Amino acid sequence: DQQVKQNSPSLSVQEGRISILNCDYTNSMFDYFLWYKKYPAEGPTFLISISSIKDKNEDGRFTVFLNKSAKHLSLHIVPSQPGDSAVYFCAAQGAQKLVFGQGTRLTINP
Amino acid sequence: SQTIHQWPATLVQPVGSPLSLECTVEGTSNPNLYWYRQAAGRGLQLLFYSVGIGQISSEVPQNLSASRPQDRQFILSSKKLLLSDSGFYLCAWTEGQGWAKNIQYFGAGTRLSVL
Repeated sequence: DQQVKQNSPSLSVQEGRISILNCDYTNSMFDYFLWYKKYPAEGPTFLISISSIKDKNEDGRFTVFLNKSAKHLSLHIVPSQPGDSAVYFCAAQGAQKLVFGQGTRLTINP
Repeated sequence: SQTIHQWPATLVQPVGSPLSLECTVEGTSNPNLYWYRQAAGRGLQLLFYSVGIGQISSEVPQNLSASRPQDRQFILSSKKLLLSDSGFYLCAWTEGQGWAKNIQYFGAGTRLSVL
């Protein structure tokens, strides 16, 4: 039972353009959502989060949007930079633990 | 500031050998602690989590076990490794309470190869 899904395993974007990563969830009890960024052979690093009482949270080039009725969240990166190339995981807060999606590999092309 | 240490960074072990991976957190008290595994090309699978000393919750039946002998120490073990235990193992911590409990901070990971 995959409660958090990232349906796109990979995404390729040109440098300077907008990157949009998507995530869907099934459990309406989730009340907090996070995005993590992961480079190869390293642990994930926290990027940005959003509470279920909000529909948007912005931090510099990163913006997370939450659509509760659709049970969908997205991460926008603009402008995209080469250093943004990594695997991005979305996660939802459950009881005492996070439920992670499968990840989307983002590649920024020069 | 808080830091998380995880070691070793890489490990090559023969099938049937024991395993012990250690994770420690500094700069906080009573954290929630987590062990994850990332298999090649896959997402993060939660293996165990702990909300206090001696309190371990297992998410997936498997060949592994976890222990928390001290407040900021979390150990992942196996008596006999299987080939399927190969993967990238990650330890994480979070504040035990309050809004900050939602954000997990990860260690650098251990790459385990069972041959």
